[in-house]
Amino acid sequence: EVQLVESGGGLVQPGGSLRLSCAASGFSFSSHWMNWVRQAPGKGLEWVANIKQDGSDKNYVDSVMGRFTISRDSAKNSLYLQMNSLRAEDTAVYFCARGLSGESGYRPIDNWGQGTLVTVSS
Amino acid sequence: DIVMTQSPDSLAVSLGERATINCKSSQSVLYSSNDANYLGWYQQKPGQPPKLLIKWASTRESGVPDRFSGSGSATDFTLTISSLQAEDVAVYYCQQYYSIPHTFGQGTKVEIK
Repeated sequence: EVQLVESGGGLVQPGGSLRLSCAASGFSFSSHWMNWVRQAPGKGLEWVANIKQDGSDKNYVDSVMGRFTISRDSAKNSLYLQMNSLRAEDTAVYFCARGLSGESGYRPIDNWGQGTLVTVSS
Repeated sequence: DIVMTQSPDSLAVSLGERATINCKSSQSVLYSSNDANYLGWYQQKPGQPPKLLIKWASTRESGVPDRFSGSGSATDFTLTISSLQAEDVAVYYCQQYYSIPHTFGQGTKVEIK
C-alpha cells in the first residue's frame, strides 16, 4: 500500500523558516516524480513544486520561487520542502503527492498524503 | 500560467440524477505529438486529501466507479456523474499538467438536493 506521511508543519512567524518532510513507503520511490501541493484554509488546491526521480530537475510556482526548495533523498525514501522567508499567505495544509509513474514530470498526481498544516503568524 | 476555470462553483443534484461539471483552460492542454489531453479530475471529501478520478481527460482511474466519466479536448472539459450517490458529495477539481505550474481549477462543490 502506498503511504505518504508528512511532518514538520507548525506555527512560524513571518520571515521564519520551516522544513517539511514526507516519508514514502509501499512503492518504488525512485521511479516517481514527487510534488508538493498546498491548500489554504477553506480554499482550493495550489500546486507548489515538483522534483524528478534523481533530483536533477525541479519546478516551482512563481509565488514560492527563490524562497522554497524541494529536495529528495532516495536512500531514505523521503521528500522535503525547505521554506524560507515565510509569509502569511503561505499558511496552508501542505500535501506530499506522487506523480503517476513515468519519465516525464507532466503527469497527474495519483497518490496524496494527509497533509501537514503550516501557519505563518505573529 | 494556464488558468483553469470551473463552472459552476457549486451545484445541488438529487440522488440518482446527473451532475455535470465543466472546466475550461485558458490555452490548449492537448499535446499534439501523442494526441493526449493533459487534464485530470480529482475528488476531495471533507477532511481528506484529494483523490484522482480521471486522467488524460477521459481515462478512469482504477477502482473509480463507472458513473464517473470525463470528456472534452483542447480547452473544454467535462466531468459527469451519471447517477449521483450520497458518497459523491465532495469538491471536484480539474488540473492541467501540460505546463508548469500545474494549475488547478477553483473547485466545484457538489451537494445533494
